[in-house]
Amino acid sequence: GEDVEQSLFLSVREGDSSVINCTYTDSSSTYLYWYKQEPGAGLQLLTYIFSNMDMKQDQRLTVLLNKKDKHLSLRIADTQTGDSAIYFCAESSYSSASKIIFGSGTRLSIRP
Amino acid sequence: DVKVTQSSRYLVKRTGEKVFLECVQDMDHENMFWYRQDPGLGLRLIYFSYDVKMKEKGDIPEGYSVSREKKERFSLILESASTNQTSMYLCASSTPGQGQDTQYFGPGTRLTVL
Repeated sequence: GEDVEQSLFLSVREGDSSVINCTYTDSSSTYLYWYKQEPGAGLQLLTYIFSNMDMKQDQRLTVLLNKKDKHLSLRIADTQTGDSAIYFCAESSYSSASKIIFGSGTRLSIRP
Repeated sequence: DVKVTQSSRYLVKRTGEKVFLECVQDMDHENMFWYRQDPGLGLRLIYFSYDVKMKEKGDIPEGYSVSREKKERFSLILESASTNQTSMYLCASSTPGQGQDTQYFGPGTRLTVL
């Protein structure tokens, strides 16, 4: 079945860029998502990218999609303490009937 | 503003008890979902519903059932709670789109079964 994989932890110094990586297996993926979960809260959509795009930028966030390698990344520029959270990569397709497949989440911690 | 609420933030139950987790959304969404979240395993889909009185099994439905009598409310039921059901439970809702189905999540219910 479909699978989404990402590393569990990432530690970054405040002010540096964070890059969170994700790989997926479903070649029919239509949309790729990044969700953020802050401590004690549910998930919140950060951004998404359509599969025919290579890149999407939104303020400090840059999403890169390599469809050939089925690789998605999220870059956070000028990482701040408020960026500490768990980041989930996810994918959906037209055939998945509104279901989204989530990765295990990457916990981003910020060092002073 | 989009809102998904869950009846409890924290719940402690005993093995064998029947447990109800309630979720309400105010966005008139057709789709509703129940996930459990465990460290290192991410979100796993338990059940989902496309419409009132409709339900579909997700990846891990064993030990759970659901009820959707009204469009805005989706209930998760643990018929006989067991310790391996200790987890964070997340409810979400969405409206069908052209493949892009942003899900809106509630704050979660952390259930402990003793």
